[in-house]
Amino acid sequence: SAVISQKPSRDICQRGTSLTIQCQVDSQVTMMFWYRQQPGQSLTLIATANQGSEATYESGFVIDKFPISRPNLTFSTLTVSNMSPEDSSIYLCSVEGTRGGTYEQYFGPGTRLTVT
Amino acid sequence: QQQVKQSPQSLIVQKGGISIINCAYENTAFDYFPWYQQFPGKGPALLIAIRPDVSEKKEGRFTISFNKSAKQFSLHIMDSQPGDSATYFCAASPYSGAGSYQLTFGKGTKLSVIP
Repeated sequence: SAVISQKPSRDICQRGTSLTIQCQVDSQVTMMFWYRQQPGQSLTLIATANQGSEATYESGFVIDKFPISRPNLTFSTLTVSNMSPEDSSIYLCSVEGTRGGTYEQYFGPGTRLTVT
Repeated sequence: QQQVKQSPQSLIVQKGGISIINCAYENTAFDYFPWYQQFPGKGPALLIAIRPDVSEKKEGRFTISFNKSAKQFSLHIMDSQPGDSATYFCAASPYSGAGSYQLTFGKGTKLSVIP
């Protein structure tokens, strides 16, 4: 399996500011995925980050609000820009790893963001 | 349009009993079906996953049953324990090559196992 770490684990931010979340993987991966989980809700895919190209955003998410960097095969950042209380969520990084010889999808521990 | 429908929303099971959670999907392009377990304050942890070339997969106390024609899959937790109390999410994704999973999640089932 892939070992994924995220920083920060949690943060409380003021409205109008921005927060950059880091995701580090212990092995090289082609694609990294960013998900959002609003309080008590399910997970929603924000974007797919492929090293060396622009991230691909899902419907309802835009680059100006959630810029993503993918400088190498083990690292990515997601920035939540101009935050509002509606951005309070858990943000999760996800990558593919192998288990028992098959490819599976793994998640990091998440970054719990509260916007006041 | 919700592409993965999960039920029930919550479930209470006695210790030692069987917990059953069901999911149904609409997109016939889906061919990877994982289940995740999430404890409060933690990220989702992969429990078990299945691909449509098999109808059942078992790992320890956890079993996935898959019905391709009905577009349904379910998670069975045998001998449920209080430590299994968590939220369970089913998910589905098409798969078109290494690293290309884009998961669509069900809304989750909160399982409580009572002693």
